Amino acid sequence: EVQLVESGGGLVKPGGSLRLSCAASGFTFSSYSMSWVRQAPGKGLEWVSSISSSVNYIYDADSVKGRFTISRDNAKNSLYLQMNSLRAEDTAVYYCARDRGHYDSSGYFSGRYFFEYWGQGTLVTVSS
Amino acid sequence: DIQMTQSPSSLSASVGDRVTITCRASQSISNFLTWYQQKPGKAPKLLIYSASSLQSGVPSRFSGSGSGTDFTLTISSLQPEDYATYYCQQSYRTPRTFGQGTKLEIK
Repeated sequence: EVQLVESGGGLVKPGGSLRLSCAASGFTFSSYSMSWVRQAPGKGLEWVSSISSSVNYIYDADSVKGRFTISRDNAKNSLYLQMNSLRAEDTAVYYCARDRGHYDSSGYFSGRYFFEYWGQGTLVTVSS
Repeated sequence: DIQMTQSPSSLSASVGDRVTITCRASQSISNFLTWYQQKPGKAPKLLIYSASSLQSGVPSRFSGSGSGTDFTLTISSLQPEDYATYYCQQSYRTPRTFGQGTKLEIK
């Protein structure tokens, strides 16, 4: 059974830092691209960052570029999100998600991904 | 960025009803469209990927259709456990973007 368990959330002051972790189990972690998605209280979903299986590719949303850094340790089956220079608008539940690739009708990988499995989320609150 | 617009934003329906939710992309996204279900206090759950492929374990009353810019999620006969918020999401271009959500409530 695929399990994703986030940790590291909490209350932090504006300008502060926090590091989120996601412990993965039930699948071969090193074979999958992974992502972070967040949801502000009472709001919709927002993709934050993605990292390829071998760390060849990293993509960040413009809203976090230069402040957040996604990383992974395949030996520890873990995904991380280092969040610096936090702002009030970063307050959200942060979900770790396992990516799955879109394949076309001929079975060719498209290079695009969707979120197949999600963790339960960890709440980050940025407030003075 | 590709904008995803869902309609309606909220919907009231009764058990047994047929329900349709629409998602429109601001440009063509081929079939790179995914639907998720989210219940209060829970993580989103994958329902439909590649516009019309049903995720394993998801009841067959859920179906998806569409290509290009216009997509629909249909629940053929609403069950009590289907009351939730539904999101569409495109993967055609980075950033992957979501619709604003459709909240399905009990009538």
